[in-house]
Amino acid sequence: KAGVTQTPRYLIKTRGQQVTLSCSPISGHRSVSWYQQTPGQGLQFLFEYFSETQRNKGNFPGRFSGRQFSNSRSEMNVSTLELGDSALYLCASSSGGQGKVTDTQYFGPGTRLTVL
Amino acid sequence: QKEVEQNSGPLSVPEGAIASLNCTYSDRVSQSFFWYRQYSGKSPELIMSIYSNGDKEDGRFTAQLNKASQYVSLLIRDSQPSDSATYLCAVGGRASGTYKYIFGTGTRLKVLA
Repeated sequence: KAGVTQTPRYLIKTRGQQVTLSCSPISGHRSVSWYQQTPGQGLQFLFEYFSETQRNKGNFPGRFSGRQFSNSRSEMNVSTLELGDSALYLCASSSGGQGKVTDTQYFGPGTRLTVL
Repeated sequence: QKEVEQNSGPLSVPEGAIASLNCTYSDRVSQSFFWYRQYSGKSPELIMSIYSNGDKEDGRFTAQLNKASQYVSLLIRDSQPSDSATYLCAVGGRASGTYKYIFGTGTRLKVLA
């Protein structure tokens, strides 16, 4: 089975711009979660999508948004970029069975975003 | 109090030794526990998952879970320089009607040749 894929792998943007990141989950996985990772804050949960619906949301401002398509692929959008948005953005997929104890997240390679 | 706590390290061990990584969590109803390895500049890679009290072994890795003490650990036997990485502990459980995963900030392991 192919793993989780993310595009692009690297992005350089300037403050005020917006950016869209893409994630394709493992075949058959219906849940996609997004995380922001910075050296100071560790892995911070952004949101989770399951069957095209946002099921969980972390504590990030409304500039961070996402969506999921019928094929389970997901996109994340950040508007009005700030310097502090520079981070590694990770996508993780899982089968998504609600409350299934053995549900496991598998990470994609990440998108490294640099905001200048 | 952080929900999932790990010592940030670095934890330095000589090659061939046993590395012991620890993680404590605050939510008593947590049900699933994971260890991920993350090399610098790379994404987290799943090493072990454990759901029941006791030990679970996979090759050189052993995960240990003690739900009464809210404690999960990872032992790496015969540590190799290639094991040098950051190890993330993740805890899954139901909260407010949905299932969530909480990650620790990771422990940096250095295996000295």
